[in-house]
Amino acid sequence: DIVMTQTPLSSPVTLGQPASISCRSSQSLVHSDGNTYLSWLQQRPGQPPRLLIYKISNRFSGVPDRFSGSGAGTDFTLKISRVEAEDVGVYYCTQATQFPYTFGQGTKLEIK
Amino acid sequence: QVQLQESGPGLVKPSQTLSLTCTVSGGSISSGSYYWSWIRQPAGKGLEWIGRIYTSGSTNYNPSLKSRVTISVDTSKNQFSLKLSSVTAADTAVYYCARLTLGHYGENAYYFDYWGQGTLVTVSS
Repeated sequence: DIVMTQTPLSSPVTLGQPASISCRSSQSLVHSDGNTYLSWLQQRPGQPPRLLIYKISNRFSGVPDRFSGSGAGTDFTLKISRVEAEDVGVYYCTQATQFPYTFGQGTKLEIK
Repeated sequence: QVQLQESGPGLVKPSQTLSLTCTVSGGSISSGSYYWSWIRQPAGKGLEWIGRIYTSGSTNYNPSLKSRVTISVDTSKNQFSLKLSSVTAADTAVYYCARLTLGHYGENAYYFDYWGQGTLVTVSS
């Protein structure tokens, strides 16, 4: 299985300041079709996960542009340019390049 | 707007079979552009992919659960279902159904874009 490792596991951030979450995979996430199926999910307290970013850097419909994704191969990053109160929650990276699909352990974003 | 809703017993006895159904509304489960998945999350823990099914009935399962899992689809009811046999306390979790989009505009793009609210299943005698 591809292991997805996120850092940090907890990120206290001041409102209005940027935040960054790293995700590293144990194998390359480049699919045989040339695409990289790395997504980012946000899970607010008591809610199901919500798709933010797909294929490394594509924002899903309705996602604010303060969220951005980057990376390649085995190293990926989610950035929030200016954290807002509604961004509190747990963020997961996930890969759909190889079976079984796997998730990172989650990064808890909280406000200082 | 696509919506997914899980349903099924919230309490299952050890060694019995967990059965859940996901009802899809706002779109057809028969569309060739999607797979339909089950994912679970133990309390306070991360996410685990259980498996997926295509409208044709073709399935893929997580090897860690494969011997105990069956996912099926009922296109006439716009539903898909999960059965997990021989459950133990370790199977206690919130179970989510989710849509996996295969792509659009001629490009492949595998991502979970719509999720149900989740249903808590507790395994206990």
